[in-house]
Amino acid sequence: NFMLTQPHSVSESPGKTVTISCTRSSGSIASDYVQWYQQRPGSAPITVIYEDDQRPSGVPDRFSGSIDSSSNSAFLTISGLKTEDEADYYCQSNDNIFRGVFGGGTKLTVL
Amino acid sequence: EVQLVESGGGLVQPGESLRLSCAASGFTVSSNYITWVRQAPGKGLEWVSFIYSNGGKDYADSVRGRFTISRDHSKNTVYLQMNSLRVDDTALYYCASPTAAALWGQGTQVTVSS
Repeated sequence: NFMLTQPHSVSESPGKTVTISCTRSSGSIASDYVQWYQQRPGSAPITVIYEDDQRPSGVPDRFSGSIDSSSNSAFLTISGLKTEDEADYYCQSNDNIFRGVFGGGTKLTVL
Repeated sequence: EVQLVESGGGLVQPGESLRLSCAASGFTVSSNYITWVRQAPGKGLEWVSFIYSNGGKDYADSVRGRFTISRDHSKNTVYLQMNSLRVDDTALYYCASPTAAALWGQGTQVTVSS
């Protein structure tokens, strides 16, 4: 099976833009969709991006997703950072028989 | 309101069983993909199981043979039967339809301890 590797932590200032990477260890990043979940401390996760680049209703358009085959990675970009964006972010995809694989999570600090 | 609500968690001893429920409102579980995800204390998210609208299902290697996912159309509920529980099954268990529906429950705590 494959792994999804995320940076352990990232930090950026309010109003700036941050990008979180999610690199697939084997197989193509394009072989199945990537989802991104936000989890604030003490709360359940919420979906911020599904199917690589789709945003659920209610998620601000400051959140965007993309994939890059050359780096075999998916990216979550958050622009116009707000303090409320401070959270853990997890990428997730599926293997070839649809079993879920999560990245280890990235702690975003907005300071 | 469209929501998923988990229940059934608790404190059990190793080797015992629990059945978690994921009740949906405003949303039809039998027409959608539902997954169980767990989070051990201080750890990241771990995929546990899924059930598709066509009835297809699968499990993480760590729970296969011990956990069983099912659904009841009449109750609009998905279940996770957990047998032979181990200490390392201790976690907060979430049910979700996390893609287009972007639905997550609030979780139910399972603690396995002697």
